[in-house]
Amino acid sequence: EVQLVESGGGLVQPGGSLRLSCAASGFTLSSSWMSWVRQAPGKGLEWVANINQDGSEKYYVDSVKGRFSISRDNAKNSMHLQMNGLRAEDTGLYYCARVSEADAFDIWGQGTMVTVSS
Amino acid sequence: EVVLTQSPATLSLSPGERATLSCRASQRLDYYLAWYQQKPGQAPRLLIYDASKRATGIPARFSGSGSGTDFTLTISRLEPEDFAVYYCQQYDSSPITFGQGTRLEIK
Repeated sequence: EVQLVESGGGLVQPGGSLRLSCAASGFTLSSSWMSWVRQAPGKGLEWVANINQDGSEKYYVDSVKGRFSISRDNAKNSMHLQMNGLRAEDTGLYYCARVSEADAFDIWGQGTMVTVSS
Repeated sequence: EVVLTQSPATLSLSPGERATLSCRASQRLDYYLAWYQQKPGQAPRLLIYDASKRATGIPARFSGSGSGTDFTLTISRLEPEDFAVYYCQQYDSSPITFGQGTRLEIK
């Protein structure tokens, strides 16, 4: 079964750090661009970051540039999001998603919750 | 940044009826637009990509159309499981953006 599973979320104080992970099964992650998408409680979807197959290209939404870093470990079929300098507005459910050959997001994990609060 | 505006915000219909959801882009897109369905407590599911192509396993009652700045998702005959929130997404230019969503509710 093709599946993505996120982990690493939790409660963190403003200014703190978290590292999210996304584990893939049922397909070879190294063959695809991958993305992180977040959803604040009761709100819509927001794209956060993208990474290409070998990790040489990375793109971020402006609001996280300089604070978040996307990476991947193809040998372990996994992807990560290092989040530093967390703010209250970063609170939300973080999904990892596979980018299809047509550039839409065709496989999604169930998400991991990040709460930034003192 | 491409802003996507979805309308209506909420659509109230009955099973068996036809649903028409709109997504308008702030600038002309090629055809790099997708539609997703999200049910409570679940991850989004890809329905349509490249404006009009159905994703794998998506029933034929879902169809997408449009070009330029105006795009439409049509559900020909609503089934009970179709009541959910629908998002459009553009991947024509960076940053990738989503619309604010249309909630399709049972009338």
